[in-house]
Amino acid sequence: DAGVIQSPRHEVTEMGQEVTLRCKPISGHNSLFWYRQTMMRGLELLIYFNNNVPIDDSGMPEDRFSAKMPNASFSTLKIQPSEPRDSAVYFCASSLGLASETQYFGPGTRLLVL
Amino acid sequence: GENVEQHPSTLSVQEGDSAVIKCTYSDSASNYFPWYKQELGKGPQLIIDIRSNVGEKKDQRIAVTLNKTAKHFSLHITETQPEDSAVYFCAASRGNNRLAFGKGNQVVVIP
Repeated sequence: DAGVIQSPRHEVTEMGQEVTLRCKPISGHNSLFWYRQTMMRGLELLIYFNNNVPIDDSGMPEDRFSAKMPNASFSTLKIQPSEPRDSAVYFCASSLGLASETQYFGPGTRLLVL
Repeated sequence: GENVEQHPSTLSVQEGDSAVIKCTYSDSASNYFPWYKQELGKGPQLIIDIRSNVGEKKDQRIAVTLNKTAKHFSLHITETQPEDSAVYFCAASRGNNRLAFGKGNQVVVIP
């Protein structure tokens, strides 16, 4: 299996621009998670989906952030408009489902907002 | 919500020695405790996990111990090697698919 795939791996953008991060979970996994990692706050859960349905989005920082999962093999995290404080590494992870705790992480997208 | 703390933040060990990282958690309902290893430029990778019905689990040079009464769990790495140098994260979950992560420990193995 190829594991969780994320794109792009690096993104540099200017403040105010829209940023879209993409994730392909492991085939057969029913749960998908978006995390943000910073030095100050560590790994924070932003949102997670089960069977393509958002279950908990309480970690989404504000309305500028939105996430979708149109099908079992694809999810996006969008930031519009982006701000310098959004600079971080964003990870996508997937797991078999609610009955399985083990989460498998992708390589991450390193985002820099200038 | 769950609060997970890791100590020490940085740990340096001589190659061949053992390394121990300790985590404490706050939610007594937590029942799943994984450890992740993150190498530079990569995502966290699960290395071992333990559930609350077990006190210890071992996998080759890595072991995890759990003390539910004291609400802490520890990662033990024996015979450390340079490739063990990484950031290690502990996490806790109460079975709701939400993992609460600690801030991470930087482990440096000195050749």
